[in-house]
Amino acid sequence: GIQVEQSPPDLILQEGANSTLRCNFSDSVNNLQWFHQNPWGQLINLFYIPSGTKQNGRLSATTVATERYSLLYISSSQTTDSGVYFCAVKETSGSRLTFGEGTQLTVNP
Amino acid sequence: DAGVIQSPRHEVTEMGQEVTLRCKPISGHNSLFWYRQTMMRGLELLIYFNNNVPIDDSGMPEDRFSAKMPNASFSTLKIQPSEPRDSAVYFCASSFQSADRGKLFFGSGTQLSVL
Repeated sequence: GIQVEQSPPDLILQEGANSTLRCNFSDSVNNLQWFHQNPWGQLINLFYIPSGTKQNGRLSATTVATERYSLLYISSSQTTDSGVYFCAVKETSGSRLTFGEGTQLTVNP
Repeated sequence: DAGVIQSPRHEVTEMGQEVTLRCKPISGHNSLFWYRQTMMRGLELLIYFNNNVPIDDSGMPEDRFSAKMPNASFSTLKIQPSEPRDSAVYFCASSFQSADRGKLFFGSGTQLSVL
């Protein structure tokens, strides 16, 4: 099956800093989504982005499908951004979304 | 919309007991997914339904697990008999159209502890 690697595994920031999270995948995909799991365990969909670039407030994401990676940008980070960020992909020939292991983000005040 | 609704939020049971988890997807969504999250295995798909029909149940760990979707607004995941290794957070999620496209929306999860 498809392999999904996220980096870095852990990231600690001071409030106000910017960050870039990366998701590499091993095969062609037709579905890629980014999720945020907050410290209370809730999973929130941030982006559906199989290709191209999208922005939502301080967050933006870019997927370069031909090079098999996606980036999630967080600008002017806030303590509420803390949690785990997951990338999930579905390979073109597959039937299920496969999740990466996540990036644990901690934003300190 | 109220989002994906799961119940119960927490379940504590003893080994050997039957456990039933419930899910109400977002109205209008036609795909429903059951995931399990553990520290060791991360988020893993157990089963998904499209238009109330099970499409892929290859993630269901064993015969002790079963899932049903009798109509478009309700699904259950049953574990019988439960074992301590089943302890995890179980998430239900829904989307519009198939797994090929469409944003996935998760419920708040059921924290299951099997003693």
